[in-house]
Amino acid sequence: GIQVEQSPPDLILQEGANSTLRCNFSDSVNNLQWFHQNPWGQLINLFYIPSGTKQNGRLSATTVATERYSLLYISSSQTTDSGVYFCAPWGYKLSFGAGTTVTVRA
Amino acid sequence: KAGVTQTPRYLIKTRGQQVTLSCSPISGHRSVSWYQQTPGQGLQFLFEYFSETQRNKGNFPGRFSGRQFSNSRSEMNVSTLELGDSALYLCASSAVTPGQGHGYTFGSGTRLTVV
Repeated sequence: GIQVEQSPPDLILQEGANSTLRCNFSDSVNNLQWFHQNPWGQLINLFYIPSGTKQNGRLSATTVATERYSLLYISSSQTTDSGVYFCAPWGYKLSFGAGTTVTVRA
Repeated sequence: KAGVTQTPRYLIKTRGQQVTLSCSPISGHRSVSWYQQTPGQGLQFLFEYFSETQRNKGNFPGRFSGRQFSNSRSEMNVSTLELGDSALYLCASSAVTPGQGHGYTFGSGTRLTVV
């Protein structure tokens, strides 16, 4: 299956800071999503982004499928951004890495 | 429209028992997938159903099974529960065949504890 590597594994931010999360994957994919897992466990869909760049408020994402990576940008971070972020490329199933745990401190 | 609904939210079972978890996808969605999340193994794919047929299966023992009904609701069953089955079970639905430009939407999950 597709191997997914996310970096950094942990990120501690001061409220208001900007950050970039990276996702490398082992095979060419036609589909990729970014999720945020909240403290209650639910995976919230952030972006469906097989290629190109998308923005949603303070978040934006870029996928370069030919180079097998995707980036998630968080700007002006807030405490509610805390949680685990997963990148999930998919073929017949979502492939998850270990995620990036983000802690935003007030 | 309503999201993906999983029931129950929490469950405590004893080793050796069996359990059934339910997932109602977003109205109109025909694909339902199940994932297991544990601290040690992370998120792992269990199986996927589309139009009442299991299309793909992950690497789990036969104690894990599932089915999908004509209204697209899905159930998964775990028999002869083991302590290691304690996990968060997540269900995801998708509008059409995955890969045709639509993403997955997850439910809130069922947290199963086996004692």
